[in-house]
Amino acid sequence: GAVVSQHPSRVICKSGTSVKIECRSLDFQATTMFWYRQFPKQSLMLMATSNEGSKATYEQGVEKDKFLINHASLTLSTLTVTSAHPEDSSFYICSAEEPGRRRGAFFGQGTRLTVV
Amino acid sequence: AQKITQTQPGMFVQEKEAVTLDCTYDTSDPSYGLFWYKQPSSGEMIFLIYQGSYDQQNATEGRYSLNFQKARKSANLVISASQLGDSAMYFCAMREGGTGGFKTIFGAGTRLFVKA
Repeated sequence: GAVVSQHPSRVICKSGTSVKIECRSLDFQATTMFWYRQFPKQSLMLMATSNEGSKATYEQGVEKDKFLINHASLTLSTLTVTSAHPEDSSFYICSAEEPGRRRGAFFGQGTRLTVV
Repeated sequence: AQKITQTQPGMFVQEKEAVTLDCTYDTSDPSYGLFWYKQPSSGEMIFLIYQGSYDQQNATEGRYSLNFQKARKSANLVISASQLGDSAMYFCAMREGGTGGFKTIFGAGTRLFVKA
């Protein structure tokens, strides 16, 4: 079964509203989680690194005030897309690393956001 | 600067034949990990194989093997005995630094089509 759960899998919202996406590690504690954005037929672009108990680290070009990240516990990180616009429509994926595991991060199922 | 390069946007392979997906990378960090992921149309990221920079032998996982050429900085994925279900996007990825907590970046991807 999935060890990283992402919710919701799909969301449609109106322009100007905010949307929250949750990423949970189910079987382990994740001090660090990552948020990616993927446009159709393109690669995953790292948006930010979510650090438990501290501020997220954003990649260059990603608007901090637009994409709010909160990592309040060792098993939950949230991404809030604020004042969403149609250009924010995309596939958002989170991942979490299990400490000591060499074989890469576990990925959530992804969230397809459509802003109308 | 692009750190992961996948030069094949699309590849075709006949069912039951082997196929090689190319990946080159660039890093100055002596400690890094290389990954391949499969992404079917559902969007989930499926881990396939991992190669650590200090691993002496090429990684293998069932029908997947990684041809690791450290001096050339290449990490090609070989899929043997292709199956129709192998049709998907394939991403090469790299994580720099030690285990846990370090971000993973992705190549542009290769779309594999398996023909019956």
